[in-house]
Amino acid sequence: EDKVVQSPLSLVVHEGDTVTLNCSYEVTNFRSLLWYKQEKKAPTFLFMLTSSGIEKKSGRLSSILDKKELSSILNITATQTGDSAIYLCAFNAGGTSYGKLTFGQGTILTVHP
Amino acid sequence: GAVVSQHPSWVICKSGTSVKIECRSLDFQATTMFWYRQFPKQSLMLMATSNEGSKATYEQGVEKDKFLINHASLTLSTLTVTSAHPEDSSFYICSARVPSGNYNEQFFGPGTRLTVL
Repeated sequence: EDKVVQSPLSLVVHEGDTVTLNCSYEVTNFRSLLWYKQEKKAPTFLFMLTSSGIEKKSGRLSSILDKKELSSILNITATQTGDSAIYLCAFNAGGTSYGKLTFGQGTILTVHP
Repeated sequence: GAVVSQHPSWVICKSGTSVKIECRSLDFQATTMFWYRQFPKQSLMLMATSNEGSKATYEQGVEKDKFLINHASLTLSTLTVTSAHPEDSSFYICSARVPSGNYNEQFFGPGTRLTVL
C-alpha cells in the first residue's frame, strides 16, 4: 500500500527561526511529490517535485527531493507568524492512478512572535 | 490561477437527512474532480475520483451508495451525503485537475464543513 509519512507532526518556533519539515514515501509508481500549505480552509499549492526537477525555491521556502532516500524536505527560513499553518506533502501516482493525490498526516507549524 | 468554488461553505443537518455539496470550476473545464474528507487534526483522505460523463471511482472503504457523486458537466461535480449520521461530520474538500499544461497540479475548493446533529 502506498504511504506518505511526515515528521514532525507539530513544531513550535519563534519568528526568525529556520525550520525543516520532512516527508518520506513508499509508493509503487511515483510520478511527483507536492507540498501544500493549509491555513483555515483548503490547501494552497507550494511546490511540485519530479524526477526532472528535484529542487525548487520560492522566496524563503525551498524544497528538495531525494529520490534515493525516497524523501523530501521543505525548508522555511526567517519564519514569520504568517507561516503558521499545516504543511502537507502528497505524492501523485502514475499509471492507472494518475492524478490521484495521497497525502501525509501533515506538520502543524506554529510560529510565535 | 484556476479557481474552484464549493457550496455551501458550511451546513448543519439532522441525522437521517441528505446533504448535497457542489464543486464548480469557475474559469476552466475539469474532466476530473476529486473529493476529499478531512477530520479534525488529520490529513486529507481521498474519497473518490469524479469523471465527467461516467461513474465515479471510489477509494477502498468509501460507500458509494452513501456518498453519491454526479459529474454531469465539465464545470460541476456534486457530492450527496445520504442519510447522514454524526460520524459523517467532517470537512469535505473538492479539487479539480487543470486539463492542460501541468497535469500534476490540482486546485482545491475552499471546503464545506458538515455538521450532523
